[in-house]
Amino acid sequence: DAGVIQSPRHEVTEMGQEVTLRCKPISGHDYLFWYRQTMMRGLELLIYFNNNVPIDDSGMPEDRFSAKMPNASFSTLKIQPSEPRDSAVYFCASSPDRTSGGNEQFFGPGTRLTVL
Amino acid sequence: QKEVEQNSGPLSVPEGAIASLNCTYSDRGSQSFFWYRQYSGKSPELIMFIYSNGDKEDGRFTAQLNKASQYVSLLIRDSQPSDSATYLCAVWSGGSNYKLTFGKGTLLTVNP
Repeated sequence: DAGVIQSPRHEVTEMGQEVTLRCKPISGHDYLFWYRQTMMRGLELLIYFNNNVPIDDSGMPEDRFSAKMPNASFSTLKIQPSEPRDSAVYFCASSPDRTSGGNEQFFGPGTRLTVL
Repeated sequence: QKEVEQNSGPLSVPEGAIASLNCTYSDRGSQSFFWYRQYSGKSPELIMFIYSNGDKEDGRFTAQLNKASQYVSLLIRDSQPSDSATYLCAVWSGGSNYKLTFGKGTLLTVNP
């Protein structure tokens, strides 16, 4: 299994530009999570999906952030317009259905975003 | 607000020693507890998880739960320099919400 795939791995952009981060979960996993990690705040959950449906977006910081999951194998996190304080590492994680015995999450390699 | 607290460290131990990492959680009804290892510049990697009904041992790693005091610990026996990383504790509170609450992690350094 290839694991969770994220792209790009690094993104450098200027303030005000639109940024789109992409994620492909592990095949067969029903849950997909988007996290942001910074030194100050640690790992924060932004939003998660179950079977492509957004379940909890209470962690999305503001309207500049949006996430979609058009199908079981693809999700995007978009920031428009981007700001320097959005600079962080963004992780995507996926998880199998809980009936399989656990809800452990498997993380992708992350996207390091720098907004100048 | 459900919280998970960890000592940020760094925790420094000599090679071959036992490293003990602790995590406290605020939600008494928490159901599952996870330990992730994160090397610098890498993504979190699941080491092990336990349910609210017991401890678990896996090789050099042991996860223990103290429900009365609301803390979970990770013991690493025969610590190796390759164990040097940040260890993240995560808690699932049960119910229909599937999200995990993560602590900020403890940096462990194993000195040769």
